[in-house]
Order: sequence, then structure tokens, then C-alpha cells
Amino acid sequence: QVQLQQSGPGLVKPSQTLSLTCAISGDSVSSNNAAWNWIRQSPSRGLEWLGRTYYRSKWYNGYVVSLKSRITINPDTSKNQFSLQLKSVTPEDTAVYYCARSGASGAIDFWGRGTLVTVSS
Amino acid sequence: QSVLTQPPSASGTPGQRVTISCSGSGSNIGRNAVNWYQQLPGMAPKHLIYSNNQRPSGVPDRFSGSKSGTSASLAISGLQSEDEADYYCATWDDSLNGHWVFGGGTKVTVL
Repeated sequence: QVQLQQSGPGLVKPSQTLSLTCAISGDSVSSNNAAWNWIRQSPSRGLEWLGRTYYRSKWYNGYVVSLKSRITINPDTSKNQFSLQLKSVTPEDTAVYYCARSGASGAIDFWGRGTLVTVSS
Repeated sequence: QSVLTQPPSASGTPGQRVTISCSGSGSNIGRNAVNWYQQLPGMAPKHLIYSNNQRPSGVPDRFSGSKSGTSASLAISGLQSEDEADYYCATWDDSLNGHWVFGGGTKVTVL
């Protein structure tokens, strides 16, 4: 059974960088059959996919166009985890952030528990 | 404004059948498989349906999915009190370099 354990601060000041980490158990971040996603949810935006990282003989990343200038998702093979960095945050980035796996079927199948991140001074 | 359109609410009495619709376009539902998720209050979404109509292990067969053209639907038969939750559809969208898109969610109330 895949489990995803999220960590990171719940409060970030405006203009600073939001950083979250997702530790994977039951699978490998380097799996050729999986992709590792970040998704957020807020009352105003609903569920919003932010981006993903995955390995297919080499590393690939994909990001939602609206955040492409501010977002970075990186794998960490030594710790079997992946991370999210979102730069220059504003109060509009306040949301519950989830990490999630896309499995062999292509579907997003396993989710972390979520981290409420509030952007406020 | 979500890319996929769902009704905001649906309801039924215990034992009834409830259906939730999800409308998209040719770049998303029209080309890719649809997934459905159940979200209980304060919890992460739980995977209910993948590949339009397949149930992951452990999901009761009361839940079923279908797809036709650019629309999909989730049916809950034999509605139970524990089915009261928010339900979301999701699929890959091939536009804008590709990205996952979600519906706005449907709140199912068991009367």
C-alpha cells in the first residue's frame, strides 16, 4: 500500500517561498510506472493540479501554465521523496496542498493527508 | 470556475440511486479516461473510479461510472448514510501542454 507523508510549514509570509515535502513509502519516486503530483484545494479555486515529476529513463517535470514561472517540483531519490516550491506567494495561494501519486493506470490514486498553508503576514 | 462541470448538489433517501454528471470537452473527457473521487469532510479525496468505469480494490460495487462523448457520470445505487460526501470528477486535459482538470464537486446529501 502506497503511503504519502507530507511535511512543511503551515504559515508563509507574502512574497516568500512555500516549501513542502512528500515522503513516499510503498513505491519509489524513480518508478517507471508512476508520476508524483502536487494538487491544492481552496474554496475559491476548488481542486487545482499544480504539477508533477516522473522518471522514464530520465526525469521529466510538468507544471500548470498559470504557475509555471513560480513553481518547482523536484525528486529526491536518496530520501524517496519529492518536494514543492512555490515562489512569491500571495494570500491567493492559501489552500490545502496535497501530494498524490498517478499509478500504472494513469489515474491519481493515492493522496497525502493534505497540509493547510496560510499565506499571511 | 472549474474546467469540468458538475451539479453542486444531489440528494436521495437511503436505498435510492443517485447519479452525478460531469461535463467536459474534446480536449479532456473526449480524449481521456475519467476518474471519480469521494471526499469526506476534513479528509483527502479517495479514489472511487478509474478508466471511466473501473473500481479500485475495496470500493463497493454500489459505485459505478460511465462515459459517453464529452460527458461522464457516477452512479451510487443503494444509497447509504456514509455516502454523504463531496464527489469530484477528474481527467487529463491535452491542452496547454497537458494538465489534470477537476470538476467543481457535487455534495451528496442522504435525506
